[in-house]
Amino acid sequence: KAGVTQTPRYLIKTRGQQVTLSCSPISGHRSVSWYQQTPGQGLQFLFEYFSETQRNKGNFPGRFSGRQFSNSRSEMNVSTLELGDSALYLCASSLEAGPTEAFFGQGTRLTVV
Amino acid sequence: AQSVTQLDSHVSVSEGTPVLLRCNYSSSYSPSLFWYVQHPNKGLQLLLKYTSAATLVKGINGFEAEFKKSETSFHLTKPSAHMSDAAEYFCVVVGPGNTGKLIFGQGTTLQVKP
Repeated sequence: KAGVTQTPRYLIKTRGQQVTLSCSPISGHRSVSWYQQTPGQGLQFLFEYFSETQRNKGNFPGRFSGRQFSNSRSEMNVSTLELGDSALYLCASSLEAGPTEAFFGQGTRLTVV
Repeated sequence: AQSVTQLDSHVSVSEGTPVLLRCNYSSSYSPSLFWYVQHPNKGLQLLLKYTSAATLVKGINGFEAEFKKSETSFHLTKPSAHMSDAAEYFCVVVGPGNTGKLIFGQGTTLQVKP
Protein backbone atom coordinates (compact mmCIF):
# COMPACT_ATOMS: atom_id res chain seq x y z
CA LYS A 1 0.00 0.00 0.00
CA ALA A 2 1.51 3.31 -1.05
CA GLY A 3 2.09 5.90 1.65
CA VAL A 4 1.31 9.58 1.65
CA THR A 5 2.84 11.28 -1.37
CA GLN A 6 3.76 14.93 -1.37
CA THR A 7 4.94 16.84 -4.41
CA PRO A 8 7.20 18.52 -5.06
CA ARG A 9 9.80 17.54 -2.46
CA TYR A 10 11.73 20.79 -2.76
CA LEU A 11 10.77 24.27 -3.92
CA ILE A 12 12.56 27.58 -4.11
CA LYS A 13 10.39 30.66 -4.57
CA THR A 14 10.88 34.39 -4.47
CA ARG A 15 9.17 36.72 -2.02
CA GLY A 16 5.78 37.82 -3.29
CA GLN A 17 5.20 34.76 -5.42
CA GLN A 18 2.61 32.13 -4.71
CA VAL A 19 3.05 28.38 -4.39
CA THR A 20 0.86 25.27 -4.52
CA LEU A 21 1.78 22.07 -2.73
CA SER A 22 0.11 18.73 -3.39
CA CYS A 23 -0.69 15.76 -1.20
CA SER A 24 -2.05 12.36 -2.17
CA PRO A 25 -3.27 10.45 0.91
CA ILE A 26 -3.10 6.73 1.50
CA SER A 27 -5.67 4.93 -0.62
CA GLY A 28 -8.97 4.80 1.24
CA HIS A 29 -8.10 7.60 3.64
CA ARG A 30 -10.55 10.47 3.53
CA SER A 31 -9.02 12.96 5.93
CA VAL A 32 -6.01 15.14 5.12
CA SER A 33 -4.27 17.59 7.43
CA TRP A 34 -1.41 19.99 6.81
CA TYR A 35 1.36 21.08 9.19
CA GLN A 36 4.17 23.58 9.01
CA GLN A 37 7.50 22.68 10.61
CA THR A 38 10.12 25.33 11.36
CA PRO A 39 13.11 25.29 13.74
CA GLY A 40 11.67 28.16 15.78
CA GLN A 41 7.99 27.26 16.02
CA GLY A 42 8.16 23.49 15.69
CA LEU A 43 5.19 21.69 14.16
CA GLN A 44 2.06 23.77 13.80
CA PHE A 45 -1.34 22.76 12.49
CA LEU A 46 -2.53 24.49 9.33
CA PHE A 47 -5.83 22.85 8.37
CA GLU A 48 -7.82 19.63 8.27
CA TYR A 49 -10.02 18.47 5.42
CA PHE A 50 -12.56 15.69 5.25
CA SER A 51 -14.86 14.92 2.33
CA GLU A 52 -13.82 18.11 0.56
CA THR A 53 -14.75 20.26 3.58
CA GLN A 54 -12.41 22.17 5.83
CA ARG A 55 -13.12 20.98 9.38
CA ASN A 56 -10.45 22.89 11.22
CA LYS A 57 -8.07 25.74 10.62
CA GLY A 58 -4.97 26.71 12.56
CA ASN A 59 -3.81 30.16 13.48
CA PHE A 60 -2.29 31.20 10.16
CA PRO A 61 -3.00 34.26 7.99
CA GLY A 62 -5.43 34.12 5.10
CA ARG A 63 -2.51 33.82 2.66
CA PHE A 64 -2.55 30.12 3.56
CA SER A 65 -5.40 28.22 1.98
CA GLY A 66 -6.20 24.70 0.99
CA ARG A 67 -8.70 22.45 -0.62
CA GLN A 68 -9.54 18.80 -0.99
CA PHE A 69 -10.79 17.07 -4.09
CA SER A 70 -13.35 14.30 -4.46
CA ASN A 71 -10.57 11.69 -4.68
CA SER A 72 -9.28 12.95 -1.27
CA ARG A 73 -6.15 14.51 -2.77
CA SER A 74 -5.39 17.87 -1.25
CA GLU A 75 -3.56 21.01 -2.19
CA MET A 76 -2.42 23.91 -0.11
CA ASN A 77 -1.63 27.33 -1.49
CA VAL A 78 0.42 30.12 -0.04
CA SER A 79 0.10 33.52 -1.70
CA THR A 80 2.37 36.55 -1.44
CA LEU A 81 5.21 34.51 0.00
CA GLU A 82 7.30 35.91 2.83
CA LEU A 83 10.74 34.84 3.97
CA GLY A 84 9.17 33.47 7.14
CA ASP A 85 7.14 30.99 5.12
CA SER A 86 10.30 28.97 4.53
CA ALA A 87 9.56 25.65 6.19
CA LEU A 88 8.91 21.97 5.78
CA TYR A 89 5.24 21.46 4.98
CA LEU A 90 3.91 18.08 6.03
CA CYS A 91 0.73 16.41 4.95
CA ALA A 92 -0.94 13.73 7.04
CA SER A 93 -3.72 11.36 6.07
CA SER A 94 -6.18 9.53 8.29
CA LEU A 95 -8.84 6.98 7.58
CA GLU A 96 -11.59 9.11 9.02
CA ALA A 97 -12.02 12.56 10.52
CA GLY A 98 -11.48 13.15 14.19
CA PRO A 99 -8.96 11.98 16.80
CA THR A 100 -7.28 9.10 15.06
CA GLU A 101 -3.75 8.22 14.09
CA ALA A 102 -2.26 10.14 11.20
CA PHE A 103 0.26 8.99 8.64
CA PHE A 104 2.67 11.58 7.34
CA GLY A 105 4.31 12.19 4.01
CA GLN A 106 7.96 13.15 3.67
CA GLY A 107 7.06 16.79 3.25
CA THR A 108 7.76 19.61 0.87
CA ARG A 109 10.73 21.79 1.74
CA LEU A 110 9.85 25.36 0.73
CA THR A 111 12.58 27.97 0.64
CA VAL A 112 11.61 31.59 0.06
CA VAL A 113 14.41 33.89 -1.09
CA ALA B 1 -6.64 23.51 26.44
CA GLN B 2 -4.66 20.55 25.23
CA SER B 3 -0.87 20.79 25.33
CA VAL B 4 2.22 18.66 25.72
CA THR B 5 5.58 19.49 27.23
CA GLN B 6 8.65 17.49 26.40
CA LEU B 7 10.93 17.92 29.35
CA ASP B 8 14.24 17.42 27.54
CA SER B 9 15.24 19.02 24.27
CA HIS B 10 18.25 16.73 23.93
CA VAL B 11 18.99 13.27 25.35
CA SER B 12 22.25 11.40 24.84
CA VAL B 13 22.69 7.69 25.61
CA SER B 14 25.20 5.01 24.82
CA GLU B 15 24.26 2.16 22.52
CA GLY B 16 22.78 -0.71 24.51
CA THR B 17 21.64 1.45 27.43
CA PRO B 18 18.01 2.36 28.25
CA VAL B 19 16.22 5.30 26.69
CA LEU B 20 13.81 7.57 28.55
CA LEU B 21 12.13 10.49 26.78
CA ARG B 22 9.80 12.44 29.03
CA CYS B 23 6.48 13.99 28.16
CA ASN B 24 3.84 15.68 30.30
CA TYR B 25 0.43 16.51 28.93
CA SER B 26 -2.38 18.85 29.80
CA SER B 27 -5.91 17.95 28.86
CA SER B 28 -9.39 18.80 30.08
CA TYR B 29 -10.56 15.25 29.33
CA SER B 30 -9.12 11.81 28.69
CA PRO B 31 -6.60 12.44 25.95
CA SER B 32 -5.46 10.58 22.88
CA LEU B 33 -1.66 10.63 22.90
CA PHE B 34 0.96 9.61 20.37
CA TRP B 35 4.70 9.42 19.98
CA TYR B 36 6.14 10.11 16.55
CA VAL B 37 9.74 9.84 15.36
CA GLN B 38 11.39 11.89 12.64
CA HIS B 39 14.67 10.81 11.11
CA PRO B 40 16.74 13.46 9.28
CA ASN B 41 15.10 14.63 6.06
CA LYS B 42 12.22 12.24 6.55
CA GLY B 43 8.57 12.58 7.44
CA LEU B 44 7.04 11.59 10.76
CA GLN B 45 6.53 7.95 11.65
CA LEU B 46 4.04 6.83 14.28
CA LEU B 47 5.76 4.91 17.08
CA LEU B 48 2.77 4.23 19.30
CA LYS B 49 -0.60 5.53 20.41
CA TYR B 50 -2.67 5.69 23.59
CA THR B 51 -6.43 5.90 23.24
CA SER B 52 -7.71 5.03 26.74
CA ALA B 53 -7.31 1.27 26.50
CA ALA B 54 -4.26 -0.27 28.23
CA THR B 55 -2.09 2.24 30.06
CA LEU B 56 1.11 0.50 28.93
CA VAL B 57 1.37 0.88 25.20
CA LYS B 58 3.79 -1.07 23.07
CA GLY B 59 5.01 0.39 19.80
CA ILE B 60 7.35 -0.39 16.98
CA ASN B 61 11.10 -1.01 17.25
CA GLY B 62 10.93 -2.00 20.93
CA PHE B 63 9.54 1.31 22.20
CA GLU B 64 6.81 1.53 24.78
CA ALA B 65 5.10 4.27 26.78
CA GLU B 66 3.09 4.32 29.97
CA PHE B 67 0.11 6.61 30.46
CA LYS B 68 0.00 7.87 34.06
CA LYS B 69 -3.05 9.99 34.71
CA SER B 70 -2.02 10.91 38.27
CA GLU B 71 1.24 12.33 36.96
CA THR B 72 -0.17 13.57 33.61
CA SER B 73 2.78 11.87 31.96
CA PHE B 74 3.35 9.73 28.88
CA HIS B 75 7.05 8.91 28.91
CA LEU B 76 8.64 6.92 26.10
CA THR B 77 11.10 4.15 26.95
CA LYS B 78 13.22 1.52 25.29
CA PRO B 79 15.31 -1.02 27.18
CA SER B 80 18.33 -0.91 24.88
CA ALA B 81 19.22 1.89 22.48
CA HIS B 82 20.35 1.17 18.96
CA MET B 83 22.36 3.49 16.72
CA SER B 84 19.39 3.63 14.34
CA ASP B 85 17.25 5.16 17.11
CA ALA B 86 19.06 8.48 16.75
CA ALA B 87 16.34 10.88 15.62
CA GLU B 88 13.92 13.51 16.85
CA TYR B 89 10.94 12.34 18.87
CA PHE B 90 7.65 14.15 19.28
CA CYS B 91 5.01 13.67 21.93
CA VAL B 92 1.59 14.56 20.52
CA VAL B 93 -1.89 15.12 21.94
CA VAL B 94 -5.09 15.38 19.92
CA GLY B 95 -6.70 18.79 20.00
CA PRO B 96 -10.04 19.57 21.66
CA GLY B 97 -13.35 18.44 20.26
CA ASN B 98 -13.95 15.86 17.57
CA THR B 99 -10.92 16.98 15.62
CA GLY B 100 -7.95 15.49 13.86
CA LYS B 101 -5.79 18.42 14.88
CA LEU B 102 -2.56 17.19 16.45
CA ILE B 103 -0.71 19.34 18.99
CA PHE B 104 3.00 18.63 19.01
CA GLY B 105 5.58 19.00 21.72
CA GLN B 106 8.78 20.81 20.87
CA GLY B 107 10.63 17.56 20.25
CA THR B 108 13.50 15.68 21.88
CA THR B 109 16.63 14.93 19.92
CA LEU B 110 17.99 11.52 20.83
CA GLN B 111 21.71 11.01 20.31
CA VAL B 112 23.08 7.46 20.53
CA LYS B 113 26.80 7.12 21.10
CA PRO B 114 28.71 3.98 20.09
